[in-house]
Amino acid sequence: DTGVSQNPRHKITKRGQNVTFRCDPISEHNRLYWYRQTLGQGPEFLTYFQNEAQLEKSRLLSDRFSAERPKGSFSTLEIQRTEQGDSAMYLCASRGDSAYEQYFGPGTRLTVT
Amino acid sequence: EDQVTQSPEALRLQEGESSSLNCSYTVSGLRGLFWYRQDPGKGPEFLFTLYSAGEEKEKERLKATLTKKESFLHITAPKPEDSATYLCAVQAAGNKLTFGGGTRVLVKP
Repeated sequence: DTGVSQNPRHKITKRGQNVTFRCDPISEHNRLYWYRQTLGQGPEFLTYFQNEAQLEKSRLLSDRFSAERPKGSFSTLEIQRTEQGDSAMYLCASRGDSAYEQYFGPGTRLTVT
Repeated sequence: EDQVTQSPEALRLQEGESSSLNCSYTVSGLRGLFWYRQDPGKGPEFLFTLYSAGEEKEKERLKATLTKKESFLHITAPKPEDSATYLCAVQAAGNKLTFGGGTRVLVKP
């Protein structure tokens, strides 16, 4: 299967700790997106990469959040000094240039205690 | 700002009881409207893309339609395995998807 993969699938951390998530997109896709989803809500956009360039960031993305895609392949999302309000599912998606539909990974569920 | 509203929030159906889900949207310059299915604890699974008013797409028991202000997802003769949350999203001039809150569908045997 060559879909979008995310690691870890689950992360439990204590408030104030830093966490990092990884996303591996579909191999031929040059566009990569991060979204956050809380229970009972639809996903909310966080940030967008085209190749290695971060081209768009949401106002939701506070300065405690940083994302990278150093070689235009996998991406990491880091949250520093986690807060209980950061508890959510973090979703990664990718797409190519020929169509607009985005394909999502399984998500990383973060629980901050 | 782009807005997407889905209704109803939840839908309970008997197996075989057809129904429709609504997605109303406000967007400047629609590039595409997307339907996804999401099972509990999993990422959204792509179903359909609709690009212009009047367009229809079908897949098994699902049919999506699009007008200038809303989209419908029709579920014909649903089965228990169709139970899921159905998400609608739009893409406008930017690159992001803007999602609605979803409709939780439960199909009872």
